[in-house]
Amino acid sequence: GENVEQHPSTLSVQEGDSAVIKCTYSDSASNYFPWYKQELGKRPQLIIDIRSNVGEKKDQRIAVTLNKTAKHFSLHITETQPEDSAVYFCAASIPGGFKTIFGAGTRLFVKA
Amino acid sequence: EADIYQTPRYLVIGTGKKITLECSQTMGHDKMYWYQQDPGMELHLIHYSYGVNSTEKGDLSSESTVSRIRTEHFPLTLESARPSHTSQYLCASRCLDRVGCTDTQYFGPGTRLTVL
Repeated sequence: GENVEQHPSTLSVQEGDSAVIKCTYSDSASNYFPWYKQELGKRPQLIIDIRSNVGEKKDQRIAVTLNKTAKHFSLHITETQPEDSAVYFCAASIPGGFKTIFGAGTRLFVKA
Repeated sequence: EADIYQTPRYLVIGTGKKITLECSQTMGHDKMYWYQQDPGMELHLIHYSYGVNSTEKGDLSSESTVSRIRTEHFPLTLESARPSHTSQYLCASRCLDRVGCTDTQYFGPGTRLTVL
């Protein structure tokens, strides 16, 4: 079945630096790739998403890139701030599919 | 406001008790899901539903059961709670393929369950 691998599991950066989280999916039929941020004690919330007909999408300090051939997609956070500290989940879904497959999560620490 | 609601938010209960975790959504979504998550860890799918009267078990074996009698309501029941059930339970929903559907899954605030 569909599988999504996410790396690294933990990432620590200095405030102002960039952070990159990478995911790989297995089902080439996947066409929708959302990223969620989960702060301590809160629900996962969508921060950005990308569809397979687009290679890159940007929203202020966050961007997502997609390489369909390699089945890789990545989250890039620039100019990190302490409030970016959270657990980030990547995910993939196929058209008409009933399940969204989530990666195992990356715990990001931004040190002030 | 369209959202997903879960009650209770926190529950501490003794071993052997029967509990029902409530989930309701006002987003008009057809698909609903239950996940089990230890704080900050992986999301484990335990049940999902395509619509009314349809339920399926997820990837993680669970002793819980679910029902879907109304589109907006997807309760999860544990017949006999055990300490191993201590975790956070997140409900989620997503629209079915139709015009305007974005495939985005939205999560409720969660129920933190502790079984003593």
